[in-house]
Amino acid sequence: NAGVMQNPRHLVRRRGQEARLRCSPMKGHSHVYWYRQLPEEGLKFMVYLQKENIIDESGMPKERFSAEFPKEGPSILRIQQVVRGDSAAYFCASSYNLSTDTQYFGPGTRLTVL
Amino acid sequence: GQQLNQSPQSMFIQEGEDVSMNCTSSSIFNTWLWYKQDPGEGPVLLIALYKAGELTSNGRLTAQFGITRKDSFLNISASIPSDVGIYFCAGRLTSGTYKYIFGTGTRLKVLA
Repeated sequence: NAGVMQNPRHLVRRRGQEARLRCSPMKGHSHVYWYRQLPEEGLKFMVYLQKENIIDESGMPKERFSAEFPKEGPSILRIQQVVRGDSAAYFCASSYNLSTDTQYFGPGTRLTVL
Repeated sequence: GQQLNQSPQSMFIQEGEDVSMNCTSSSIFNTWLWYKQDPGEGPVLLIALYKAGELTSNGRLTAQFGITRKDSFLNISASIPSDVGIYFCAGRLTSGTYKYIFGTGTRLKVLA
């Protein structure tokens, strides 16, 4: 039973480019959460999605960041016109049913902005 | 914003020793999760707690949901070198939000 998959594992972008991070939840999971982790810090919630719906994006920066979870395919976190401050590890987690409260994390995508 | 105070921030211990760490907050939580993160990897769930006072074990790990619902504790007994890593607590508020608030982590180093 495959766990949460994320790709790429490492992504290098120059300032002003776009970054696309992908997350495939565990089989049967329909809830996806994105978190950001800066070095030496804990994870910060960004956005919570269900299939085709953004449920809570209160942790997402208002500009340049967007997320989607289409009916088919992985969830995508998109960062436009990246800046050096976007460099971080981005983790995706999924859960089967909100009431179970258990989130399983992927291995993360480490974004470096040059 | 909401914060979870996790302590200690880091600790060095001898192999075989017991380890204790905790998370505290001024807010009330209805769920506590404990994760371990190895370098370059994502957090791996260790223990989940859903009720005040709940005490749950997973091998050498034991975690408790504080009675006041504002804190949680994780104990590791007879530590071994592979226990090295960062341990995070995560709490979900009772206010109906779906997101977890993470502590800043306890960095554990085990000396053989």
